[in-house]
Amino acid sequence: DTGVSQDPRHKITKRGQNVTFRCDPISEHNRLYWYRQTLGQGPEFLTYFQNEAQLEKSRLLSDRFSAERPKGSFSTLEIQRTEQGDSAMYLCASSFEQGSVGELFFGEGSRLTVL
Amino acid sequence: DAKTTQPPSMDCAEGRAANLPCNHSTISGNEYVYWYRQIHSQGPQYIIHGLKNNETNEMASLIITEDRKSSTLILPHATLRDTAVYYCIVRVAPGNQFYFGTGTSLTVIP
Repeated sequence: DTGVSQDPRHKITKRGQNVTFRCDPISEHNRLYWYRQTLGQGPEFLTYFQNEAQLEKSRLLSDRFSAERPKGSFSTLEIQRTEQGDSAMYLCASSFEQGSVGELFFGEGSRLTVL
Repeated sequence: DAKTTQPPSMDCAEGRAANLPCNHSTISGNEYVYWYRQIHSQGPQYIIHGLKNNETNEMASLIITEDRKSSTLILPHATLRDTAVYYCIVRVAPGNQFYFGTGTSLTVIP
């Protein structure tokens, strides 16, 4: 399968613990996005990378959140000191954009439950 | 933030055309209209996009008004598998992030 893959698909943790999600984009894609989605809402933008550079972060991305894409390939999203309000689906998407119209390809998401 | 307005829900009879409207009255000349859909518990799926002209692919047709302030996504023969939340998004291309609103929840009825 050559789509966007995310790991783990489900994570249950206790409040105050740290969690990390991994996203492997489609191999030739230069852009990678992270979104968060809560029940009944559309995906909310968190941050995106162009190759290894993090170009934009939403104000939703508090200091407890950090994202990296060290070699311009896979990306990680870490949440430190989780809170119950962090419970959500975390979606990763990738695209190829170079002066043309890019479409996002999404993974199946990583569902986080904070107890 | 989201620059589009969509009805929260719609029903459509199986086999009939589903016409999903979207208002984007503040769209700029270089912004494209994209449509995605999300079937329960899955990641959003790209459907179609356009700038000025109407577009058609194997999934759907996109009709954009001449003033570009609104568009309609048409699923020509809706099936039960088309039951999903449909998102209309405007975005500069090449651009930055896609902003999703709350979309239209389409239910296809047998």
